[in-house]
Amino acid sequence: GDSVVQTEGQVLPSEGDSLIVNCSYETTQYPSLFWYVQYPGEGPQLHLKAMKANDKGRNKGFEAMYRKETTSFHLEKDSVQESDSAVYFCAPYSGGYQKVTFGIGTKLQVIP
Amino acid sequence: DAMVIQNPRYQVTQFGKPVTLSCSQTLNHNVMYWYQQKSSQAPKLLFHYYDKDFNNEADTPDNFQSRRPNTSFCFLDIRSPGLGDAAMYLCATSRDRDRGTYEQYFGPGTRLTVT
Repeated sequence: GDSVVQTEGQVLPSEGDSLIVNCSYETTQYPSLFWYVQYPGEGPQLHLKAMKANDKGRNKGFEAMYRKETTSFHLEKDSVQESDSAVYFCAPYSGGYQKVTFGIGTKLQVIP
Repeated sequence: DAMVIQNPRYQVTQFGKPVTLSCSQTLNHNVMYWYQQKSSQAPKLLFHYYDKDFNNEADTPDNFQSRRPNTSFCFLDIRSPGLGDAAMYLCATSRDRDRGTYEQYFGPGTRLTVT
């Protein structure tokens, strides 16, 4: 089946720092790639997406490039803000079963 | 606004006492999902409906059942809750995979406590 590995645990940048949250995936079919974000007490919501190789997803200053050659979809931001604090899930979807595979989640806690 | 609604937001039940969680959607999506999420973990898919077709995950306990009486509503029944079933339960929807992108739209969740 499909699998995904992302930066584990908690990341503690200071406000204004740059950020990379790693995501690598293995899928049985050509996937679409998503990052979901979950704020405390809420359900996950789509943060950004890329549907095919070399697409770049963008949202609120975050970017992620669909890199087929390295099967990666790293989440990046040049300058994080306190309001970015949340849990981020990398989630490839490879069709066939109408379901995504969620990574373990990375908790981003930005220090003001 | 079109959305996914879950009721109640917080549910307390007793050990072994059946409980039902509900989900409704105004997105007119034909796929609906139930996830279980425990603290500091990723959502774990329990089952999903593709229209009326029910798809159970292999490791979902028999204690968990679901009903989808129509497109808009879906229910999660826990027949005999144990202490280990205390979690956040998330409902989500998505469109038919043949109609474009496949992102899922989540409700706010129901936090279940078992006493």
